[in-house]
Amino acid sequence: GESVGLHLPTLSVQEGDNSIINCAYSNSASDYFIWYKQESGKGPQFIIDIRSNMDKRQGQRVTVLLNKTVKHLSLQIAATQPGDSAVYFCAENIGPQGAQKLVFGQGTRLTINP
Amino acid sequence: DSGVTQTPKHLITATGQRVTLRCSPRSGDLSVYWYQQSLDQGLQFLIQYYNGEERAKGNILERFSAQQFPDLHSELNLSSLELGDSALYFCASSAPTSTDTQYFGPGTRLTVL
Repeated sequence: GESVGLHLPTLSVQEGDNSIINCAYSNSASDYFIWYKQESGKGPQFIIDIRSNMDKRQGQRVTVLLNKTVKHLSLQIAATQPGDSAVYFCAENIGPQGAQKLVFGQGTRLTINP
Repeated sequence: DSGVTQTPKHLITATGQRVTLRCSPRSGDLSVYWYQQSLDQGLQFLIQYYNGEERAKGNILERFSAQQFPDLHSELNLSSLELGDSALYFCASSAPTSTDTQYFGPGTRLTVL
């Protein structure tokens, strides 16, 4: 997908609550997906990844779910903290081995309310 | 800190000028990728180098070029700059054993006046 920039979807949650960010990807042949977090003025930061032979992967406070049937990814953040406020991007890795590129989704702005 | 460094952090220049952005990958990484992030286009892949060789190309303008040097640092050259080239430019690198996970640098903010 392509990022919309100023018109990012937004999600506001209370501190301590769980949040779910969704993403649709376009290429059914993609076999590797990554979630990145981007704070204001910084570069995208790797959060968690998942390969197409998995449906779910868990990290520290984060879980990624992959539904290949409908080409959908989600990122669940448990017990959100103020530092989780950022723009979150999903990305699919496409291309042959050794010549790959990331195609980013439009991003979702997550705001954690105190 | 991802371990990827980029200089300069900010760059302000005029239309028609040429600039060079520099990137040093994480220690041991052989692949370097360049991305452009603008308000209307989001994060877009420009080009990838692996150990000095160009491996993949995105929608990179002909006015833009890049190279990767023997010490593995990379430079992105932007020429005949236009107002629309104003954006954040990110470099990412990935490990030689896996070209999958890309780690991003802090970016260079280019403003063309």
